[in-house]
Amino acid sequence: DAGVIQSPRHEVTEMGQEVTLRCKPISGHNSLFWYRQTMMRGLELLIYFNNNVPIDDSGMPEDRFSAKMPNASFSTLKIQPSEPRDSAVYFCASRGGLSEQYFGPGTRLTVT
Amino acid sequence: QQQVKQSPQSLIVQKGGISIINCAYENTAFDYFPWYQQFPGKGPALLIAIRPDVSEKKEGRFTISFNKSAKQFSLHIMDSQPGDSATYFCAASIVGGSNYKLTFGKGTLLTVNP
Repeated sequence: DAGVIQSPRHEVTEMGQEVTLRCKPISGHNSLFWYRQTMMRGLELLIYFNNNVPIDDSGMPEDRFSAKMPNASFSTLKIQPSEPRDSAVYFCASRGGLSEQYFGPGTRLTVT
Repeated sequence: QQQVKQSPQSLIVQKGGISIINCAYENTAFDYFPWYQQFPGKGPALLIAIRPDVSEKKEGRFTISFNKSAKQFSLHIMDSQPGDSATYFCAASIVGGSNYKLTFGKGTLLTVNP
């Protein structure tokens, strides 16, 4: 299995631009999580889906952030418009029937 | 509100020594306590996990000690090796139900000197 796949691995964009991060979970996993990691705040859960349905989006910082999961094999996290304070590493993780979450390699976002 | 407090923030250990990282939680409903290991440029990966029905779990050089009454758990790395140098995160969650999610500690940067 290829594990959780995220793209792009690195993204550099200018303030005000739209950013779309992509995630392909492990096949057969029914839960998907989006995290943001910064030095100051550590690992923060932004949103998670169960069977493609958003269950808890209380971690989404503001309306500029949105996430979708149109099917079991694909999810997107969109930031529009982006701001410098959004610079972070964004991780996607998926989970099957057990408790373990499998993380992807992350997308390093830099907003200038 | 930080529900899982992790210490220390950073730790330097000599090769062969014991590394100890501590975590404390507040929510008594938590019933699953994993530790994740993260190398630079990589995503966190599950290292070892414990449920509250046991006080200790050992896997190779890694041991979790759990104290339910004190609401604390710790990771011990025996015979620490330079390859163990990474950031370690404790976490806690409630297994089952419809609102499952992990609450992470802030992380501990471990450096094992050769």
